Amino acid sequence: ELKVEQNPLFLSMQEGKNYTIYCNYSTTSDRLYWYRQDPGKSLESLFVLLSNGAVKQEGRLMASLDTKARLSTLHITAAVHDLSATYFCAVAGLTGTASKLTFGTGTRLQVTL
Amino acid sequence: GAVVSQHPSRVICKSGTSVKIECRSLDFQATTMFWYRQFPKKSLMLMATSNEGSKATYEQGVEKDKFLINHASLTLSTLTVTSAHPEDSSFYICSASILAALSYNEQFFGPGTRLTVL
Repeated sequence: ELKVEQNPLFLSMQEGKNYTIYCNYSTTSDRLYWYRQDPGKSLESLFVLLSNGAVKQEGRLMASLDTKARLSTLHITAAVHDLSATYFCAVAGLTGTASKLTFGTGTRLQVTL
Repeated sequence: GAVVSQHPSRVICKSGTSVKIECRSLDFQATTMFWYRQFPKKSLMLMATSNEGSKATYEQGVEKDKFLINHASLTLSTLTVTSAHPEDSSFYICSASILAALSYNEQFFGPGTRLTVL
């Protein structure tokens, strides 16, 4: 059974600071996703990572994937208040078509002024 | 592109009634749709996977007689919560997946339906 763990569960950080969210998963996978969720809303897709060493960046967020370590990171650079949200990683199973996603526990990010 | 809608966005019902939630892919044909539920401040838990024209596959611990899923077409899946009780109150989110090259089988998520059972 695929298990996905995120840490930290809650992160309070000041504007302008940098921090990293970690996502560990238990079995081999070929796809990892990062999502953002605002309170009361559904998921917004941030990144899809498909191969070992993949790195993607959008604005102040950068995601990377190490398939050998079964680890993905979401790095936040110079945080701003607008980044306050819950961030989930999700790992796809290796079953081919329309694979199921297993979600991490989520990291609630609060950026303070 | 790749827009998924859900209806209703919010529903309040009395205990014992049934509630139907629709999930539609608006601008693509979805070979597979997924249903998730999310409790407050918790992660998403997959309830079931449905393919058009076939029976849904339920995750362990999900009562298939309580959560009826119908996938009538490539653009519509419905989730019916039968004889709803307060413990069924939750945020239900559907997603739809395109089976196509370069789509990475990515799931596109609907806006969610908040169900409150009184």
